[in-house]
Amino acid sequence: SQQGEEDPQALSIQEGENATMNCSYKTSINNLQWYRQNSGRGLVHLILIRSNEREKHSGRLRVTLDTSKKSSSLLITASRAADTASYFCATGQGAQKLVFGQGTRLTINP
Amino acid sequence: EAGVAQSPRYKIIEKRQSVAFWCNPISGHATLYWYQQILGQGPKLLIQFQNNGVVDDSQLPKDRFSAERLKGVDSTLKIQPAKLEDSAVYLCASSRAVGTSGLMGNIQYFGAGTRLSVL
Repeated sequence: SQQGEEDPQALSIQEGENATMNCSYKTSINNLQWYRQNSGRGLVHLILIRSNEREKHSGRLRVTLDTSKKSSSLLITASRAADTASYFCATGQGAQKLVFGQGTRLTINP
Repeated sequence: EAGVAQSPRYKIIEKRQSVAFWCNPISGHATLYWYQQILGQGPKLLIQFQNNGVVDDSQLPKDRFSAERLKGVDSTLKIQPAKLEDSAVYLCASSRAVGTSGLMGNIQYFGAGTRLSVL
């Protein structure tokens, strides 16, 4: 069963704008991760935030985690055409298990 | 380091036929995962191996799906017989063995996947 639910399911913005994707989940977690998937490719890990962290940055990525609301957000600043992809949140459960959400399809228009 | 290798990249079969997928994880990664990704959805875990032992196969349809990782390195996933609803991308991923504390988390490295079409 899917754990996370991403919102929106699809997002289309202009190059240079910021993109925000949200993820909600249902059970307690150890960590939450975000992955990117380009069309026809496998998933690539972007960033991991632990359950005792509230915010994390990596380059143009900013992730927040609110465990009281069981939600996370991924912000991509100054978007580029190469950011066009599907983005998935995955909740870490147990020692090594990840449960993925349905994903957000992001399109960056030139 | 070399990434996760999967083959074949594409496979088209008729329903009720058999098919097998192969995965070679990143060298030294103890944990190997097989996922099924139906078009427009996120990956769903089918089976997780730690070395050559099964950790989780709760979502594997065992009447038709089987997987093995005999020497704790590469792995095969088999479907026999295939159904129309098995059409999907089958992704293999691997990760390092981490401590028992889930708080450390694990990063999974994915192969490009095998796209299966069942006609």
